[in-house]
Amino acid sequence: KNQVEQSPQSLIILEGKNCTLQCNYTVSPFSNLRWYKQDTGRGPVSLTIMTFSENTKSNGRYTATLDADTKQSSLHITASQLSDSASYICVVILNAGKSTFGDGTTLTVKP
Amino acid sequence: DGGITQSPKYLFRKEGQNVTLSCEQNLNHDAMYWYRQDPGQGLRLIYYSQIVNDFQKGDIAEGYSVSREKKESFPLTVTSAQKNPTAFYLCASSPDGWNTEAFFGQGTRLTVV
Repeated sequence: KNQVEQSPQSLIILEGKNCTLQCNYTVSPFSNLRWYKQDTGRGPVSLTIMTFSENTKSNGRYTATLDADTKQSSLHITASQLSDSASYICVVILNAGKSTFGDGTTLTVKP
Repeated sequence: DGGITQSPKYLFRKEGQNVTLSCEQNLNHDAMYWYRQDPGQGLRLIYYSQIVNDFQKGDIAEGYSVSREKKESFPLTVTSAQKNPTAFYLCASSPDGWNTEAFFGQGTRLTVV
């Protein structure tokens, strides 16, 4: 069982709609939690980085939230665009410096 | 133009051959990492290096080797001992360990034929 679980595994939405991706983790104590966007066949690109004391962090149409008590994070995408089609990866960085990656959510935005 | 560069983008290898994947960064980062990505799975750490001339095994180091002779370079060799080498390989760097932001290269897709 992965210590960083993402859901759903895949998601299809229409262009212009909003969506929310989930990340639940069991690893601790953690230093920070990150969301990455990975286009097919490319390297991941950082979207947000949150420390355990932050509840929310925005980057344009992307807003990440974090609840350190319940060990849950979400990534909300507003007014989706075709270019949002990608895999979104949640990464938990422990205080010791070890990183644990989720398996990712594959988002497809259709016109 | 600063960044982290992996080459080649695609690589084909015959069974039983060793192959070396290149990773170069001009970000002046101390730490560098190699990950393996398989379809539908999260990234898994192969090796990492916090400083020049020093590196440590990650979670799946068997069948791989690395060197860190220069700060900007961290090549990965996939040896014939790696039983299932076909995968997407990602290199990353960060200023000072994973508590600082990491930047990824564009990846190398290795296929064993």
